[in-house]
Amino acid sequence: DAKTTQPTSMDCAEGRAANLPCNHSTISGNEYVYWYRQIHSQGPQYIIHGLKNNETNEMASLIITEDRKSSTLILPHATLRDTAVYYCMRESHSGNTGKLIFGQGTTLQVKP
Amino acid sequence: NAGVTQTPKFRVLKTGQSMTLLCAQDMNHEYMYWYRQDPGMGLRLIHYSVGEGTTAKGEVPDGYNVSRLKKQNFLLGLESAAPSQTSVYFCASSPWTSGRETQYFGPGTRLLVL
Repeated sequence: DAKTTQPTSMDCAEGRAANLPCNHSTISGNEYVYWYRQIHSQGPQYIIHGLKNNETNEMASLIITEDRKSSTLILPHATLRDTAVYYCMRESHSGNTGKLIFGQGTTLQVKP
Repeated sequence: NAGVTQTPKFRVLKTGQSMTLLCAQDMNHEYMYWYRQDPGMGLRLIHYSVGEGTTAKGEVPDGYNVSRLKKQNFLLGLESAAPSQTSVYFCASSPWTSGRETQYFGPGTRLLVL
């Protein structure tokens, strides 16, 4: 049970912002939201994570709604190399193991 | 600093054969994980370790064993390989804090069981 819901696939034009939504309506108060991506055949790569406040780093921005039931990952200027599967996850808060539960993710296709 | 490395990169086994996949990290991380990924699917956790000498079961542990004799190494064993274990195996590590740190993944091991 991934406990998050994402669209199966999305397209984005190169140079435009890519906005990837994620629903996590049952998230508990101390669970973080994590985003990873997996470029074809490679190991997953960490992008960003957050708890309540919006977060930004060199790769992306994370917008979390005030009720924390959903979030959006924003890639401000998508490039062809951003084509990947994007996973939104909640930290499995079980015994402090930091386990991540991967779902199916969103396949983002960036088109020229 | 090589990060997380996995050996071998690719292997073909016959049903019933055994093998060990090696994961090594040079970041002094406490936590290590083994995942498998089947075609078109997300990753599923097989086993994990929160420190040297400790291991625990993940979502899909059956048919696999693990050992963490050294902090930097996490071994995944298949005692009697089955075609259902054909998959791509990823190892990951993360530092110990509250468990809410990022995981660093290796490049994967592609296993084909005939």
